[in-house]
Amino acid sequence: AQSVAQPEDQVNVAEGNPLTVKCTYSVSGNPYLFWYVQYPNRGLQFLLKYITGDNLVKGSYGFEAEFNKSQTSFHLKKPSALVSDSALYFCAVRDDGDSNYQLIWGAGTKLIIKP
Amino acid sequence: DAMVIQNPRYQVTQFGKPVTLSCSQTLNHNVMYWYQQKSSQAPKLLFHYYDKDFNNEADTPDNFQSRRPNTSFCFLDIRSPGLGDAAMYLCATSRGPGQGNGYEQYFGPGTRLTVT
Repeated sequence: AQSVAQPEDQVNVAEGNPLTVKCTYSVSGNPYLFWYVQYPNRGLQFLLKYITGDNLVKGSYGFEAEFNKSQTSFHLKKPSALVSDSALYFCAVRDDGDSNYQLIWGAGTKLIIKP
Repeated sequence: DAMVIQNPRYQVTQFGKPVTLSCSQTLNHNVMYWYQQKSSQAPKLLFHYYDKDFNNEADTPDNFQSRRPNTSFCFLDIRSPGLGDAAMYLCATSRGPGQGNGYEQYFGPGTRLTVT
């Protein structure tokens, strides 16, 4: 069965420090992987995706993520955290063999950046 | 800017009183989705359209219906809202076959539904 795990409910980071939000996945085919961010009372904003190609993908607001096939992971990273990065982050996956358009979502990780 | 628009942003309805939420898009995407999201949980897919083809999730209650009269608009109808239907409702779009390989979904700002 397809699944996404975000093992941390909450991640706390001091402003200026690097941050990592973890995501692992399970699909039967090749994964299409996505990160979204959600600010309070707002919709989800697309950050970045991995479809194929370079394992390191860069996205909006200085975020990047590294696809690791052997570890089935797609961790979100940023070299220097900002207080404004505080939000809820969701990882999602789609199996390239699926004919539908559904994404499988992780439970979300609340990121708190302290000044 | 191309975008996904949801109206209203906040909706209050009474228990059992039908309500309609609307979504429009200027992205010209073939696929549109309705999600329900409660209390910072992961969004739960209710249904999606590929063009005019409607796809209902198996566990979506019959109380929820949807219409897509054209490419740009999609509506969510809740026929008899219960207290448990209070949630954020998110509309999203994505490219479909023949529109490129974007795959990512673009979300509207959501409608927060309160049931009294």
